[in-house]
Amino acid sequence: DAGVIQSPRHEVTEMGQEVTLRCKPISGHDYLFWYRQTMMRGLELLIYFNNNVPIDDSGMPEDRFSAKMPNASFSTLKIQPSEPRDSAVYFCASSPQGRNEKLFFGSGTQLSVL
Amino acid sequence: AQKITQTQPGMFVQEKEAVTLDCTYDTSDQSYGLFWYKQPSSGEMIFLIYQGSYDEQNATEGRYSLNFQKARKSANLVISASQLGDSAMYFCAMREGETSYDKVIFGPGTSLSVIP
Repeated sequence: DAGVIQSPRHEVTEMGQEVTLRCKPISGHDYLFWYRQTMMRGLELLIYFNNNVPIDDSGMPEDRFSAKMPNASFSTLKIQPSEPRDSAVYFCASSPQGRNEKLFFGSGTQLSVL
Repeated sequence: AQKITQTQPGMFVQEKEAVTLDCTYDTSDQSYGLFWYKQPSSGEMIFLIYQGSYDEQNATEGRYSLNFQKARKSANLVISASQLGDSAMYFCAMREGETSYDKVIFGPGTSLSVIP
C-alpha cells in the first residue's frame, strides 16, 4: 500500500505565479481533506471532499485558492496568484467513511512563495 | 469558532516519567471521534490513539492512553514512561459532522520535549 502521495514535496515560486499541489489518496477511501499548516495558525482545514464532491470549502482563505477532485484517485489544490503569506506546509489526507476512521496523511508539500 | 483547545503550547517531561497533554473540545453532536496525532520534527503526521464518543472504556495503545471525560468534553493524552523519541508536536483532533458529512479539525498542538 503506497499510502497518500503528494507532489511536489517542495515548491519554491515567486509571488504572482500559479501553484498546483497534487494528491493521490489511498484507493477506496471516501474522504479527502486538504490542510494548511503554519506556525501561527496551526493545522487549518481548507476543504474536504466526500466521494469526489466538495462538501465544505469554508476554510479556503480566498478566491485565489481552488481545489478539485476530478476522480477518486486524484485531487489538486491551486493557488493563483500566489503570495508570500501562502508559504506553508500543505497536507492532503484521506480516510474511509466513519467517525471512528483515522486520517492517513501524505508527506506534505512545503511551499515557499518569494 | 475554535472547537478544540490545547492549553499547553509547550511541555517538558523527564525521561521515564509520565506526562498528560490536555485537550478540550466543543461539539453538539452525540456521535464523534477523538484522535491524537504526533508530528516529529521530520514533519509526518503519525496516528496515536482513538476514542469514540460512545466508548465507555478509555482507549489505550501501548504507552499511550486517553483520559476521556465526556461530561467535561475533555480527552487528555497520557504518555507513560516517556522516551527521548517522544519529543514532538502532539495534536488533538475531532471528527464530527453537523450535516451528516464528517469534518476533521485539529487543535493548535502541544510541543513536548523529553529531557534526558
